[in-house]
Amino acid sequence: NAGVTQTPKFRVLKTGQSMTLLCAQDMNHEYMYWYRQDPGMGLRLIHYSVGEGTTAKGEVPDGYNVSRLKKQNFLLGLESAAPSQTSVYFCASSYTGTVDEQYFGPGTRLTVT
Amino acid sequence: KNQVEQSPQSLIILEGKNCTLQCNYTVSPFSNLRWYKQDTGRGPVSLTIMTFSENTKSNGRYTATLDADTKQSSLHITASQLSDSASYICVVSAGVTGGGNKLTFGTGTQLKVEL
Repeated sequence: NAGVTQTPKFRVLKTGQSMTLLCAQDMNHEYMYWYRQDPGMGLRLIHYSVGEGTTAKGEVPDGYNVSRLKKQNFLLGLESAAPSQTSVYFCASSYTGTVDEQYFGPGTRLTVT
Repeated sequence: KNQVEQSPQSLIILEGKNCTLQCNYTVSPFSNLRWYKQDTGRGPVSLTIMTFSENTKSNGRYTATLDADTKQSSLHITASQLSDSASYICVVSAGVTGGGNKLTFGTGTQLKVEL
């Protein structure tokens, strides 16, 4: 039982390049989330999904797209990376969206130059 | 606007000592309050989740309290260990229209335990 895994762990992009971050969970959770964590700020929700085939915008969705084609996977895409997207990205999952614990992945550190 | 404020921002204590971290929030409508531990370079790990009706919850040497009237929570760590060195994040959950919850994260208290 690996929990929540993220790939890659580190990535450096040039401005304007694109990339996809992959999140996978093996706990059969319905809800999945993408957050970003920046120095001096709390985690902020980018996008989330309440089930396979569904996605919704969070607090800071601009510049990102997501897809949930399979229940266990949640992809975060950056179509044209900007230096402001330099951050640590965390994926999380939970069984429901209410009082259940959210399980976080190990994070992806992204630098955009 | 929902806000979560934590204090102190950072704290250094000696191994074996106790400490208390504070969390004040303005989140409505309140659903639950969570404390997470985040080790450097890792994702947050849940310590406790408390709903409106719970005013204290323990997880080993960690004890969280909640005062829903004053909108304050604290996390007490007993007999600290070097492995307690981490960031402790207070997260408050608000109910949203249509179901589900919206989480507001604090910026964390950075705790360092020294010999």
